[in-house]
This record gives sequence, structure tokens and C-alpha cells, in this order.
Amino acid sequence: EPEVTQTPSHQVTQMGQEVILRCVPISNHLYFYWYRQILGQKVEFLVSFYNNEISEKSEIFDDQFSVERPDGSNFTLKIRSTKLEDSAMYFCASSRDSSREQYFGPGTRLTVT
Amino acid sequence: KNEVEQSPQNLTAQEGEFITINCSYSVGISALHWLQQHPGGGIVSLFMLSSGKKKHGRLIATINIQEKHSSLHITASHPRDSAVYICAALYNTDKLIFGTGTRLQVFP
Repeated sequence: EPEVTQTPSHQVTQMGQEVILRCVPISNHLYFYWYRQILGQKVEFLVSFYNNEISEKSEIFDDQFSVERPDGSNFTLKIRSTKLEDSAMYFCASSRDSSREQYFGPGTRLTVT
Repeated sequence: KNEVEQSPQNLTAQEGEFITINCSYSVGISALHWLQQHPGGGIVSLFMLSSGKKKHGRLIATINIQEKHSSLHITASHPRDSAVYICAALYNTDKLIFGTGTRLQVFP
């Protein structure tokens, strides 16, 4: 069964460093999403992406964040200058269209020290 | 404001018990997801529904649009059902608004 994959599973970085989190969505899906979950809190929407552009973003998704689909398979989330409060689990998801079920990747745990 | 409320926050059960987790939301959703989050953190989609009822194995999800309420039921619960169950609403956009989750522990 096709699945969403994410790499790395765990990333440790120092404050101020740039990180890129990678996702490979399911191949025939057209909508892509990033969510985050700070430890002990609920999952929060960051951004949705369709047709090579951002379709919606939350207040969390400020200028420090960017997304890209650099080729036909990868979908990346970049944080330019990480802060301690960026420490969280980041989930990628994809769906065939915006009204369909979203499929989640296993997550990347980001730890900023 | 688009919100999703879940209850209870924590639930313990003996193996074999019937479990119900509740979710309420505000107006204007186009669909509701029920998700399962394992102790390691991974999220699995269980159901997406916009009306009526869906069943998959021992899991049943229902939604009442008029009452803005959905329930997830687990019949004949088993220790392997122990996880966090999350409802998430799709509010006429393509972003999900998540509830805080219900932590379920099923003891043998």
C-alpha cells in the first residue's frame, strides 16, 4: 500500500541553523500539507500546497518557513533560522484532492538546542 | 471561530469493553476525520466522513450534522487499541483543525 515517507526521523540542530525536512507524498496525490505537534499539545496546521503554490497557511507559518516541491516526488519544509520553540514533531500529509482523506507520514522529530 | 472539542481527554477500559469517544465542532465543516496516534507519534487515518456512519472492523464512526457532533466507537476493545484518538475537522478549506485528542488505555 502506498504511503507517505519523511526523512529524517529525528533531526537535532542548534538555534539559528537552517533545517530542511523532507517528505515524499503518495505518487498520485496533488495536495500536500505540513503540520506540527509540540510535545504534549495538539496537532496544528502549518501550510497546504497545490499546483506548485501555497494554497493556505497559518499564522505560525511566518517568513522563517518555506515549502518547495523541488522535483516530481519530494515536498520540503525549510526553517531558515530555527528557534527553541520550533522543537516539535513535523508531519507531512498528502491527499488526492482537497475533499479527500489525508494520509500522514511518520513525522520528523525536530529538536532545537 | 473554528474549533474542535473532544471528550473525554483520558479513558481507561478493560479489555472487551465498548468505547465511545465524542467530538463536537462548530458550523461549516465539509468533513470530519478520525485519526489514531500511536505512542511513537505516527498518525493513521481511520475514517473521513461527512454524513451518516462508517464501519471498519471493530471501529464505527458516526456524525450528526444537525447536532454538530461525531462519535468514534470501538467494540470489544483490546489492549492494542491503546492510543490517542484525534478528531479533526475540515472547514471548507483544505486545512484540518485538530482536537486535543483522547488518550485511551485498554487493560487486559
